[in-house]
Amino acid sequence: DQQVKQNSPSLSVQEGRISILNCDYTNSMFDYFLWYKKYPAEGPTFLISISSIKDKNEDGRFTVFLNKSAKHLSLHIVPSQPGDSAVYFCAASDVSNDYKLSFGAGTTVTVRA
Amino acid sequence: ETGVTQSPTHLIKTRGQQVTLRCSSQSGHNTVSWYQQALGQGPQFIFQYYREEENGRGNFPPRFSGLQFPNYSSELNVNALELDDSALYLCASSLGSPPRDEQYFGPGTRLTVT
Repeated sequence: DQQVKQNSPSLSVQEGRISILNCDYTNSMFDYFLWYKKYPAEGPTFLISISSIKDKNEDGRFTVFLNKSAKHLSLHIVPSQPGDSAVYFCAASDVSNDYKLSFGAGTTVTVRA
Repeated sequence: ETGVTQSPTHLIKTRGQQVTLRCSSQSGHNTVSWYQQALGQGPQFIFQYYREEENGRGNFPPRFSGLQFPNYSSELNVNALELDDSALYLCASSLGSPPRDEQYFGPGTRLTVT
């Protein structure tokens, strides 16, 4: 049962433009959401997170938006840079499940020069 | 500060065999979580070890088992390998439990079962 869904397997964006990655979830118990970035032959690295008590969190070029009523979150990258080309995973956790992370299938972002 | 390391990098096994994968956690971390990432999917939580005790398990059968040692390194053992066990196995270490965003992942072990 896939509780976290990333419906866009890939995204291509021009350098300097905005990248918008989307993620939907079904479990209303999730209270913490994270984005991870993964390069080939490396493990995922933590990018940014947001608690369910917030609707926005910003860190430099990365902003995550949370819409709890729609069970939807998005990651905005502005401006996109070639080094942002990677696979991005959305993940979620909840206190009732010992904070185990549930991941989406990932979105491959390609930033074109 | 040493990051999370995993061994081996790649492994090929035959159906029915047993396999042991190893993970060395980041210095100072006492929690290790294991994930299975099948092709085209996100990582799926297998289990977590905190101070040498299993501290949560995902929907994986008992033939997936693990250990954590006093130095907080960890092993993942899989018995009676099946073709569907072919995947990238990731471990992640953190300080304390729950880990949340403080998890640091290793590069993974690519297991192929033929």
